[in-house]
Amino acid sequence: ETGVTQTPRHLVMGMTNKKSLKCEQHLGHNAMYWYKQSAKKPLELMFVYSLEERVENNSVPSRFSPECPNSSHLFLHLHTLQPEDSALYLCASSQARDSYNSPLHFGNGTRLTVT
Amino acid sequence: AQSVTQLDSQVPVFEEAPVELRCNYSSSVSVYLFWYVQYPNQGLQLLLKYLSGSTLVKGINGFEAEFNKSQTSFHLRKPSVHISDTAEYFCAVRNNSGTYKYIFGTGTRLKVLA
Repeated sequence: ETGVTQTPRHLVMGMTNKKSLKCEQHLGHNAMYWYKQSAKKPLELMFVYSLEERVENNSVPSRFSPECPNSSHLFLHLHTLQPEDSALYLCASSQARDSYNSPLHFGNGTRLTVT
Repeated sequence: AQSVTQLDSQVPVFEEAPVELRCNYSSSVSVYLFWYVQYPNQGLQLLLKYLSGSTLVKGINGFEAEFNKSQTSFHLRKPSVHISDTAEYFCAVRNNSGTYKYIFGTGTRLKVLA
């Protein structure tokens, strides 16, 4: 399997639930990203991990908690979300450090609905 | 601070007609420029990128873009569109100083009509 794979594709959760989004990349990249895509808004960068170290954290509420156990896997743990957190969550990967012009490779996203 | 502006939120065009999707950016430093396409229920896919050199960049699916430094633009063009080009197109910039931050525009929805 190649590319960036995200699971689940769709997720409906209540405001009191705890769930996790998973991302796996098979491209040999060493930087991974979480983006939030909401209608009519630019993609919002949430977190970046480079060589398994968090290098960007864009003032994301603490109800979102990322985890990067190795360079191929990235998780986004969710708890006590709000309805406005409903969006498409995209994972991406790229080469880090030696290739700043490396483009992002995206997964197909997880469509999250918070009820 | 950097920003990307895609002025057209929607562009309808008839099949086999040419199309131009506009992208303007602002940045105080040199940047790398990208166009991505997003088909329904999918993630973003790289169409083309400008890093340096020739200002005319060719990408996949017959698309091309031209970097204009004086106008800080990176417009995307295709001489003849197909129904299958219907999708959302995103322009993005990244400065060349080592940051991981890509700044995306709000996207342009291209709708190709039969």
